[in-house]
Amino acid sequence: EVQLVESGGDLVQPGGSLRLSCEASGFTLSPYSMNWVRQAPGKGLEWLSYIGSSSSTMYYGDSVKGRFTISRDNAKNSLYLQINSLRAEDTAVYYCARVRHLGSYYMDVWGKGTTVTVSS
Amino acid sequence: SYELTQPPSVSVSPGQTARITCSGLTLPKQYAYWYQQKPGQAPVLIISKDTERPSGIPERFSGSSSGTTVTLTISGVQAEDEADYHCQSTDSSGPYSWVFGGGTKLTVL
Repeated sequence: EVQLVESGGDLVQPGGSLRLSCEASGFTLSPYSMNWVRQAPGKGLEWLSYIGSSSSTMYYGDSVKGRFTISRDNAKNSLYLQINSLRAEDTAVYYCARVRHLGSYYMDVWGKGTTVTVSS
Repeated sequence: SYELTQPPSVSVSPGQTARITCSGLTLPKQYAYWYQQKPGQAPVLIISKDTERPSGIPERFSGSSSGTTVTLTISGVQAEDEADYHCQSTDSSGPYSWVFGGGTKLTVL
């Protein structure tokens, strides 16, 4: 079964850091670009970051530029998101998703998410 | 910044047809995608490239496009269709700026 499983979410204080992980199973991560997307409580989805299959291209949403860093380890079939200088507004469920490109870009497989709570 | 606009909520009775719209200025040039998200679950792709239904998605789900608006139509709504529906596109031909609509809560009365 094709699956993505996120981990690393936690309760952290403002200003803290976290590293989220996303492990792929049922398929090989290496040919695929990947995204991180989050959803704050009661809110819609927000795209955070994109990484190309070979890590040569990385893009970030305006709200997280300079604080979040996306990376991957294809040998471990894993994707990561380093989150620094956490703020209350970063409280959300964080999803990783597989990117496809067939005329346009979209996501065809999503993980179930990991919860980040920023509070003192 | 680029935005997609969805109604916050839509309500229909079982067996009726639900229509959820998504409006954005670049939709005539970029495809839209629809995701269904049930409470506590991950989003699931239900419509691709404005109108295409991925394998395994019931035929009652369909998509259409007209100008700056795309529409998700659910024919013969069932109780299990109660969920949040999100549209997604990009504001260019590259993967460097993704955008979602605010999401629409479909309530089956």
